[in-house]
Amino acid sequence: AQSVTQPDIHITVSEGASLELRCNYSYGATPYLFWYVQSPGQGLQLLLKYFSGDTLVQGIKGFEAEFKRSQSSFNLRKPSVHWSDAAEYFCAVGAARNYGGSQGNLIFGKGTKLSVKP
Amino acid sequence: DAGVIQSPRHEVTEMGQEVTLRCKPISGHNSLFWYRQTMMRGLELLIYFNNNVPIDDSGMPEDRFSAKMPNASFSTLKIQPSEPRDSAVYFCASSSGQNNQPQHFGDGTRLSIL
Repeated sequence: AQSVTQPDIHITVSEGASLELRCNYSYGATPYLFWYVQSPGQGLQLLLKYFSGDTLVQGIKGFEAEFKRSQSSFNLRKPSVHWSDAAEYFCAVGAARNYGGSQGNLIFGKGTKLSVKP
Repeated sequence: DAGVIQSPRHEVTEMGQEVTLRCKPISGHNSLFWYRQTMMRGLELLIYFNNNVPIDDSGMPEDRFSAKMPNASFSTLKIQPSEPRDSAVYFCASSSGQNNQPQHFGDGTRLSIL
């Protein structure tokens, strides 16, 4: 079955430092991959998505992610973190029928909570 | 463009009462999803509609939960009777239904069952 793993439950970085949030997926074909951010009291907002082409994807708020097929990874990065980036981040993969999923459905990771130190 | 609209934003009710959560998806989207989020279990997909038809309801916890989508612009999630363990944030999301398209989330309903 498809799955998404976010190994880090909670990460703390200093403001201005670089950030990398890890995401690994299990999938046999080219996956559709997404990163979402959730601020406290709000719904999930799409940061970026990948489904083909350039493996380095740019998103909103200065985020980017790199798809690495050999490592089954889709890590999220930001060169300089701002205090307003403190939130929870979710990686997701589009479900595939041949893996028992329903088209249009997303498989979410458990999330990584980001704290930013001043 | 209006996003996904959920109501109410907050609901506090007593155990045993019926609770109805409402969702208006983005116009033109043909897939709608109901999720539940708790600290313990994270984000769980409850049910998923495509063209107003329930496709996958395997995540619905038990018979006390039901969901309907009478038309393309409205869906409800009902809990009857409610129990304290149903306390959570419930999210609705919509999408165009294709695998390479993202889901767009509402701001959620924070439900507290006393």
